[in-house]
Amino acid sequence: GENVEQHPSTLSVQEGDSAVIKCTYSDSASNYFPWYKQELGKRPQLIIDIRSNVGEKKDQRIAVTLNKTAKHFSLHITETQPEDSAVYFCAAPGTYKYIFGTGTRLKVLA
Amino acid sequence: DSGVTQTPKHLITATGQRVTLRCSPRSGDLSVYWYQQSLDQGLQFLIQYYNGEERAKGNILERFSAQQFPDLHSELNLSSLELGDSALYFCASSQGQGRGNTIYFGEGSWLTVV
Repeated sequence: GENVEQHPSTLSVQEGDSAVIKCTYSDSASNYFPWYKQELGKRPQLIIDIRSNVGEKKDQRIAVTLNKTAKHFSLHITETQPEDSAVYFCAAPGTYKYIFGTGTRLKVLA
Repeated sequence: DSGVTQTPKHLITATGQRVTLRCSPRSGDLSVYWYQQSLDQGLQFLIQYYNGEERAKGNILERFSAQQFPDLHSELNLSSLELGDSALYFCASSQGQGRGNTIYFGEGSWLTVV
């Protein structure tokens, strides 16, 4: 859980298109994978999370998939809207440390 | 509203000075985490406390220190401030510690060092 790589660092999509952000973690014991959205100047807010006993979780236009074998998980946003523009962070918490990925700046172009 | 309270919201101070940032976790949460976010940067993990005890350290400078008090509120002390310490400092809390827990962020404290 102490090393989380996140890609891409920036992502621009046309309104209505889909966006995918991927994170890779190193700790095999990681069992919980949250995603946070941070708007400019605001606090990060949890938008969706997944635990290791499931492979996919959906909440309206947002979904998260988990591949434990490959140690990666992804955020999928469908039918993107301008209000989806923000920075998105993934995390794969360790025993004590709560380390975040480096963030993805998503721009939805109208 | 996440239930995590941070004060002050904004702070402007001069180089070389010392400041204290305060955080009250959500009711029932025992863990407190501190993060630093410089302009257009990610969330740098500084330090974590659980029920009054330090449990993990990240890239926290020696000029910075923190503690969690018996009532579970936490303070982050920043001393000998430099221009590069200007950032948004977040506190977050969770019920347990680390793995498996959702953490909730406060609104942050904006620190400007001039």
